[in-house]
Amino acid sequence: GAGVSQTPSNKVTEKGKYVELRCDPISGHTALYWYRQSLGQGPEFLIYFQGTGAADDSGLPNDRFFAVRPEGSVSTLKIQRTERGDSAVYLCASSLVAPNTGELFFGEGSRLTVL
Amino acid sequence: QQQVKQSPQSLIVQKGGISIINCAYENTAFDYFPWYQQFPGKGPALLIAIRPDVSEKKEGRFTISFNKSAKQFSLHIMDSQPGDSATYFCAGQAAGNKLTFGGGTRVLVKP
Repeated sequence: GAGVSQTPSNKVTEKGKYVELRCDPISGHTALYWYRQSLGQGPEFLIYFQGTGAADDSGLPNDRFFAVRPEGSVSTLKIQRTERGDSAVYLCASSLVAPNTGELFFGEGSRLTVL
Repeated sequence: QQQVKQSPQSLIVQKGGISIINCAYENTAFDYFPWYQQFPGKGPALLIAIRPDVSEKKEGRFTISFNKSAKQFSLHIMDSQPGDSATYFCAGQAAGNKLTFGGGTRVLVKP
């Protein structure tokens, strides 16, 4: 595709349920990032993949959050036992290589609402 | 820990006016400072960026001014247009990968 694709665009779930959010990066981009954006705030870093491996997962808030990228392309962010505080827009971004000065290309995000 | 502080939270400017957004950072390891623009329902998109060895960078109507000693940088939008109405985020990046974003500034340009 032309840009970073995220699905679903909207997800409403109940407290305690499990959710998966998918990210399809720009073809050929080796680096993939997940960010979380709460209403009225800037994006917060969650995790970064270089290829298939998680190079930096220091932003994951707790062990309910997990992300995979098994083939080095599509990534899935998994949230177990969702809480109301998990409600946010989850943004995925990709880049050609891990940028020290490079541009991150963001998707439109997946809006998660936990009731 | 908020490593990048951004102000103001919002601003209103008349068409043709100048919009100014300020950021201050704490992490001296940051070596790349991009600004991202975000429209409602969209992801952030890179607008302009600067490295700390440069004091100013201009691209069209957008200018970054950088003060390394004060650990501050700012975005100036000249001749603001209604299409510039968006939320702007400054960010800092240390060697490696992750960006640390400021809290954002919602800009409204009135026609």
